[in-house]
Amino acid sequence: EVQLLESGGALVQPGESLRLSCAVSGLKFSKYVFNWVRQVPGKGLEWVSTIGTNGDTYYNDSVKGRLTISRDDSKSTVYLQMNSLSAEDTAVYHCAKSGYCSPKCDGLDVWGQGTMVTVSS
Amino acid sequence: IQLTQSPSSLSASVGDRVTITCRASQGISSHLAWYQQRPGKAPKLLIYAASTLESGVPSRFSGSGSGTDFTLTISSLQPEDFVTYFCQQLQAFPLTFGGGTKVQIK
Repeated sequence: EVQLLESGGALVQPGESLRLSCAVSGLKFSKYVFNWVRQVPGKGLEWVSTIGTNGDTYYNDSVKGRLTISRDDSKSTVYLQMNSLSAEDTAVYHCAKSGYCSPKCDGLDVWGQGTMVTVSS
Repeated sequence: IQLTQSPSSLSASVGDRVTITCRASQGISSHLAWYQQRPGKAPKLLIYAASTLESGVPSRFSGSGSGTDFTLTISSLQPEDFVTYFCQQLQAFPLTFGGGTKVQIK
């Protein structure tokens, strides 16, 4: 069974940094594309970032320059380094695996339960 | 690419047939997915490539459309279907989601 387990969420002050981790099990990690998607509780979904199998990265304009996605294939883990956090970044952050990509991907077929990031003074 | 999902909410009864629409601001071929989300849970992929049912998803769910106009249809609502649904385009970055449709019991 494929599982994604996020960690690292916390309450931080504006301007601070945080690193989220997504530990993946049950598949050949290096073969897959991964994403971060966030959601303010009770609101809609917002795509944050994607990292390809070759390390190519893509970002939502709202986070570009402040959030950085990376992957460690040896640890089967995806990371989201979050700098210069603001209240607008408060949300549940989900890690999600892309389905088959050729090269466009067939949806996000496995999701983690999410980790809560709260930015408040 | 903006996705306009409608309605934002609807009321229906068990056994009803419901249709949710997702309109893209530009053509996205068939690169559209639909998700179901229960309160407090992660989204679940229902349909990808506009009309392909994800493995394990009941056949009462179906998707159609291409280009700019897409629909998700639930042929006969079951009690567990009264939750929220989102569409997502995967044609181009930035990936975007529709605003969501909450299906409520009438």
